[in-house]
Amino acid sequence: KAGVTQTPRYLIKTRGQQVTLSCSPISGHRSVSWYQQTPGQGLQFLFEYFSETQRNKGNFPGRFSGRQFSNSRSEMNVSTLELGDSALYLCASSLVQSFSYEQYFGPGTRLTVT
Amino acid sequence: KQEVTQIPAALSVPEGENLVLNCSFTDSAIYNLQWFRQDPGKGLTSLLLIQSSQREQTSGRLNASLDKSSGRSTLYIAASQPGDSATYLCAVWGNMLTFGGGTRLMVKP
Repeated sequence: KAGVTQTPRYLIKTRGQQVTLSCSPISGHRSVSWYQQTPGQGLQFLFEYFSETQRNKGNFPGRFSGRQFSNSRSEMNVSTLELGDSALYLCASSLVQSFSYEQYFGPGTRLTVT
Repeated sequence: KQEVTQIPAALSVPEGENLVLNCSFTDSAIYNLQWFRQDPGKGLTSLLLIQSSQREQTSGRLNASLDKSSGRSTLYIAASQPGDSATYLCAVWGNMLTFGGGTRLMVKP
């Protein structure tokens, strides 16, 4: 069974631009969560989607948004990029809404904002 | 607000040693606790998931314990190998998954 895939793997953007990251969960998994990892703040939860609905949200500004499609694939969008948005963005999938089930992570998208 | 702390932040041991990584959390109202491994520049690999009703889980040379009442978990690695070198993260599920800062492990041949 294929694992969680994320595209693109690397991205360089300029401050003020917007970016869209994509995540395809493991086949059959319906829950997708997004995380930001930085050296200073560590791993922080962004949001979780299940059945195309956002179920949970972390403490991030409204510039960070996401959506989930009917095939469970998810996208994350960051508008008006800031230098501090440079990070590794990880998505994870689980069979159902995540708190009881194991999370499986993708390889991440490394975003650099210049 | 849940806070997760991992001690030590870094650890260097010779190959073959048994070792213990520690994780503590402030709010005992958790659904489960999960241990992950992260290699440099890579995503996370799940190692063990302990449900809140369980006391421990084992997988190969790894054993994780959970004491919810005291807010602690330990990851025991037996007979460490150079391939175990990585950052180990624990995460707890309350209303969201909260991660510790990780323990960077180096196993020297």
